[in-house]
Amino acid sequence: GQQVMQIPQYQHVQEGEDFTTYCNSSTTLSNIQWYKQRPGGHPVFLIQLVKSGEVKKQKRLTFQFGEAKKNSSLHITATQTTDVGTYFCAGHNTGGFKTIFGAGTRLFVKA
Amino acid sequence: NAGVTQTPKFQVLKTGQSMTLQCAQDMNHNSMYWYRQDPGMGLRLIYYSASEGTTDKGEVPNGYNVSRLNKREFSLRLESAAPSQTSVYFCASSVSGFGTEAFFGQGTRLTVV
Repeated sequence: GQQVMQIPQYQHVQEGEDFTTYCNSSTTLSNIQWYKQRPGGHPVFLIQLVKSGEVKKQKRLTFQFGEAKKNSSLHITATQTTDVGTYFCAGHNTGGFKTIFGAGTRLFVKA
Repeated sequence: NAGVTQTPKFQVLKTGQSMTLQCAQDMNHNSMYWYRQDPGMGLRLIYYSASEGTTDKGEVPNGYNVSRLNKREFSLRLESAAPSQTSVYFCASSVSGFGTEAFFGQGTRLTVV
């Protein structure tokens, strides 16, 4: 069945360093979403990517969707302590119906 | 607007007990979902309701049942709780099915002893 793999599982950074999480799907995706979950909180939608090669920015966050629509990345420039939490990708399969979540990358930021 | 509201927030059950998790959304969304979240495993879909009057199994439906009571409400029932069902449960809703932005409730932390 469809799988969405996300790496790394954890990342510790010093405040001000950059951070990237990667998401890879076993099948071609129709779109991919990114969510952020603060510790003890619930997932909150960040963005959706639909087009091959799409790049979107939200302040210090840059989201990319691969040309083959099978991978995606989230890059945070100059992390801040407010960036702590777990970042999930969620891929929607072209031929299927359900959305599959990656296992998430938990980001720790040391001040 | 409250968004997606789940009750209860915390629950401890003994093995074999039953309970129902309640979920309601006030955004007039057509689709609703139940997920469970376990450490290192992300969010796994238990059941979903694409629209009022329909429900379907997700990845991990065993031991659960659901009811789409009306457009606003989608409940999850554990008939005979097992320790393996210890988890954090999230209800979510979206305008129209998978592939659209999902709004999550605050979660229910369930412990089965």
